[in-house]
This record gives sequence, C-alpha cells and structure tokens, in this order.
Amino acid sequence: RKEVEQDPGPFNVPEGATVAFNCTYSNSASQSFFWYRQDCRKEPKLLMSVYSSGNEDGRFTAQLNRASQYISLLIRDSKLSDSATYLCVVLSGGYNKLIFGAGTRLAVHP
Amino acid sequence: DTGVSQNPRHKITKRGQNVTFRCDPISEHNRLYWYRQTLGQGPEFLTYFQNEAQLEKSRLLSDRFSAERPKGSFSTLEIQRTEQGDSAMYLCASSLPSGRYANTGELFFGEGSRLTVL
Repeated sequence: RKEVEQDPGPFNVPEGATVAFNCTYSNSASQSFFWYRQDCRKEPKLLMSVYSSGNEDGRFTAQLNRASQYISLLIRDSKLSDSATYLCVVLSGGYNKLIFGAGTRLAVHP
Repeated sequence: DTGVSQNPRHKITKRGQNVTFRCDPISEHNRLYWYRQTLGQGPEFLTYFQNEAQLEKSRLLSDRFSAERPKGSFSTLEIQRTEQGDSAMYLCASSLPSGRYANTGELFFGEGSRLTVL
C-alpha cells in the first residue's frame, strides 16, 4: 500500500465550479501535511499547509482528519489558471522528508 | 536567478552508460533532497543531505546510484550502468533548517533533469 493515496482524476470542471480532492495517508505518526501544485512539465511548488483546525487561503480550503488519516482540498470558484496537478504531501519521519501522493489532475474549462 | 539550478536539463544515454546530474541549491539552504518522478506519479524520495552529510537514503536508491555533496553546497547524483527503468525526471530540492523562518513543508525544487535511457 502506498503511503499517500490520491484519486488520479482527471477532474474536468467548468470555470466557477467548486471541486474537492481527497487524500489518505497510512502512517499514523505523520506529523505535518501539505498540498503542492505542479503545472505541466514544471516543478512542484507549495500551495498550502494543512492544519488540524482546517485553514483557508483565498479560494482554497484545506482540512485534516487525523482519526481517519484523511486530507482534503477544496477549490471554490475555479479559474482556468487552476488547471494543474495537485499533490498531497505528508511529512514523514525526521529530516523534513516529504512523501508525495501521485497527484490529482484538474482541468478547468471555459 | 537565485532558485535551485539543475543541469543538464535533458540527458539521453544508451543502456549501460554512466550519467551524472548536478544540483546547485539556494545558497543559504543547508538541506538538499533528490527525488525521482515518472509520468503520472508524484516525486519519490531518493536521498537527503544536511550540509555535506548524507543522512537518509531510500531503498529505491540501488547500489548503482550514488549522491554526494562534498562541500555542503552543490550536489551530484550519479547513476552507473543505466537501465531503461532509470528513465525519469530527477528533481533536486533545497530548504532552510526548520525553525529558522522556515515553513518545514516548503521545499524549493529545481526544474529537474530528464533522463532517457535507450
């Protein structure tokens, strides 16, 4: 079983839609959680951290459920520029070792 | 440009040849990571350096792979006797030590070195 699992998608949504991505992780000792964004043929970049109490950054909301080992990302009012792959990321063990999920592809169309 | 720099950006080689990739991290970052990414997958952790010390290696890193960071600045990743299964994007990332104005989840990635083994 992979340490971080995501639905690969693709999610094809119209502009303005709300879309949600889910992710599960297997290591209950995992300490911190993040969402990264990766554009086609580009390097991954940090989108946002995921806090236990849930957190919001503009149109993006991240939630963490430690009991279920489940992380989510909600994107409201989707823009064409949101089209990318969204990587669920877990901090595992020491040394800031980030474990990446396979990513969920989002395509926003006009 | 003060970001993470990797070269070469692309490398095509024949099976059995050796290849070496170089990574220059952001100058004040003492942590350096190598990841490998194949199509449709997320980056897979390969190895981690803190300054010049290699502190962790993945089981993915077979004995054909070796990484160094001799002076705690740039790093090299060498693959000996390449196989077709080594074809991938090799990503380098760097970060500040945690607790020093750093978000512990933020790795700064280079654009990667794409390896194609024929």
